[in-house]
Amino acid sequence: DAGITQSPRYKITETGRQVTLMCHQTWSHSYMFWYRQDLGHGLRLIYYSAAADITDKGEVPDGYVVSRSKTENFPLTLESATRSQTSVYFCASSEHTMTDTQYFGPGTRLTVL
Amino acid sequence: GQNIDQPTEMTATEGAIVQINCTYQTSGFNGLFWYQQHAGEAPTFLSYNVLDGLEEKGRFSSFLSRSKGYSYLLLKELQMKDSASYLCAPLYNNNDMRFGAGTRLTVKP
Repeated sequence: DAGITQSPRYKITETGRQVTLMCHQTWSHSYMFWYRQDLGHGLRLIYYSAAADITDKGEVPDGYVVSRSKTENFPLTLESATRSQTSVYFCASSEHTMTDTQYFGPGTRLTVL
Repeated sequence: GQNIDQPTEMTATEGAIVQINCTYQTSGFNGLFWYQQHAGEAPTFLSYNVLDGLEEKGRFSSFLSRSKGYSYLLLKELQMKDSASYLCAPLYNNNDMRFGAGTRLTVKP
């Protein structure tokens, strides 16, 4: 049972490049989330999705794009990476609602040079 | 913002009890999560409180006072493996999840 996985685990890119972070869950959970975690800020919600083809903005959506064509996948794209997007990105899923337990993936450490 | 306040760091002794406090704004509040995060790892769920009062789950208990905008996480019989960051996360308006910056707990022998 793989659970929730993220790829890549580490990524170094340059300013202005497009980067896509992948998230895959095997539980058929309805909700999926993307967070970023920076020192001193804690976790901040970027986008979330209640079901396939339904996405909503979180606290810090600017500079990011998401899609959810299949229930199990929720990719996050940085269309033109900036240094301020250097962070650790966590994907999470919950079974039915926002108030259900969220299960987090292992994270992707992204560095934008 | 939702002004989520929790202490930055705490230190306690193995076998002791520690209480980690969290205050938050009450407007639009639904409920509050506590997560544990070991260094370099993903957060893991500890509790979710909606109603006022104390909920006990093994060595960990969580308390909520909705009217005061206050919660705490109580850890009993501390073990070295409890050294981690503890994240307070209130949910607002059924879809706005906010996290505090976390409390880094160090358990010493």
